[in-house]
Amino acid sequence: AQKVTQAQTEISVVEKEDVTLDCVYETRDTTYYLFWYKQPPSGELVFLIRRNSFDEQNEISGRYSWNFQKSTSSFNFTITASQVVDSAVYFCALSYGSNDYKLSFGAGTTVTVRA
Amino acid sequence: DVKVTQSSRYLVKRTGEKVFLECVQDMDHENMFWYRQDPGLGLRLIYFSYDVKMKEKGDIPEGYSVSREKKERFSLILESASTNQTSMYLCASSLSPRDGYTFGSGTRLTVV
Repeated sequence: AQKVTQAQTEISVVEKEDVTLDCVYETRDTTYYLFWYKQPPSGELVFLIRRNSFDEQNEISGRYSWNFQKSTSSFNFTITASQVVDSAVYFCALSYGSNDYKLSFGAGTTVTVRA
Repeated sequence: DVKVTQSSRYLVKRTGEKVFLECVQDMDHENMFWYRQDPGLGLRLIYFSYDVKMKEKGDIPEGYSVSREKKERFSLILESASTNQTSMYLCASSLSPRDGYTFGSGTRLTVV
């Protein structure tokens, strides 16, 4: 069965610090997708990134970057030079099931960025 | 932009009541989902629908049922609400796995 572990429950940083969120997953599937979502205080989950299991290239989007390492089953997320607007709950998710339509989510990491 | 709309932001219901949570999406997505979110547990899949009148149980379907009579609408039904169903309920839709999900704003249900 699939499983996503986000070991960090809460992280608190001062503005402009970098913060890295860990995500470790377990799956028996050979092909799958990994995702990161952001849930700000308003409650609506916002899609950040998708990575498929064949693509181990790291990705950078502005202040966000992702490190996918299949050998260690990890898909970590770094926010560089954090800002107060980055305060949110961040979820890592893994696709499963026929056609990969279902997602299994980690417990989430709450990031608080203090001014 | 895809929009997923959940009819209620907050609901308070009594134990034993039948509760309907409604979700509508406007982008013709075939796949729709109901998750519940609880602190420390993340999101857990209740039910999934991949077409009109088609449904599949998720990881925690007990105490819930769903209805999908039209492509754009996916309803979650609590047949007899119980206090352990107090939670945040999130609806999502998706065109394909590579597109990820689009979520609604959630319905915070309190059962008293």
